[in-house]
Amino acid sequence: EAQVTQNPRYLITVTGKKLTVTCSQNMNHEYMSWYRQDPGLGLRQIYYSMNVEVTDKGDVPEGYKVSRKEKRNFPLILESPSPNQTSLYFCASSFASYNEQFFGPGTRLTVL
Amino acid sequence: KQEVTQIPAALSVPEGENLVLNCSFTDSAIYNLQWFRQDPGKGLTSLLLIQSSQREQTSGRLNASLDKSSGRSTLYIAASQPGDSATYLCAALGRGLGQNFVFGPGTRLSVLP
Repeated sequence: EAQVTQNPRYLITVTGKKLTVTCSQNMNHEYMSWYRQDPGLGLRQIYYSMNVEVTDKGDVPEGYKVSRKEKRNFPLILESPSPNQTSLYFCASSFASYNEQFFGPGTRLTVL
Repeated sequence: KQEVTQIPAALSVPEGENLVLNCSFTDSAIYNLQWFRQDPGKGLTSLLLIQSSQREQTSGRLNASLDKSSGRSTLYIAASQPGDSATYLCAALGRGLGQNFVFGPGTRLSVLP
């Protein structure tokens, strides 16, 4: 089944404890991106990747890192999480940026 | 900087009605515009994608139009059903060096049986 998977789906952590949210797609997509969704602010793009080893900042990249070493994986790294990074995170992929995007199920992160 | 707005923020209609959801964007230099639905606690499901060279796309009871000159897109839902209840979001992909998407805040639709 063609899909975008994210792990974990739910995570509660404490301030400053490094964490990684994984994202994987099995559709051979070149374009992948990360979003966060907050009440009243909607979905905002954090980082995106046009292809392996090519990443760029979205609208809200502060406090996040990404890497794209393989085509199928695009992990989101929070080196030192803070409470303002409590949010619902989505990973998405598409063949290219201008093609239909497919979203993962989301990861709900709480930083205490 | 691109800004995307959606009107109305919420809409409640009786089953069977035809309805229109609106999406406006400030920068007409877009690659495409995509409509999604989001069910509570779930991810986003793509509904329709309109490339900048197209004026509309149709899928079943859904029809999306794009007018770049006025910075508007509409999603038309025919013969609404309770299963259509969800939040509908539009997203614009910019043509600039940054290939990033900007989402609207969404319209929360309730279709009453």
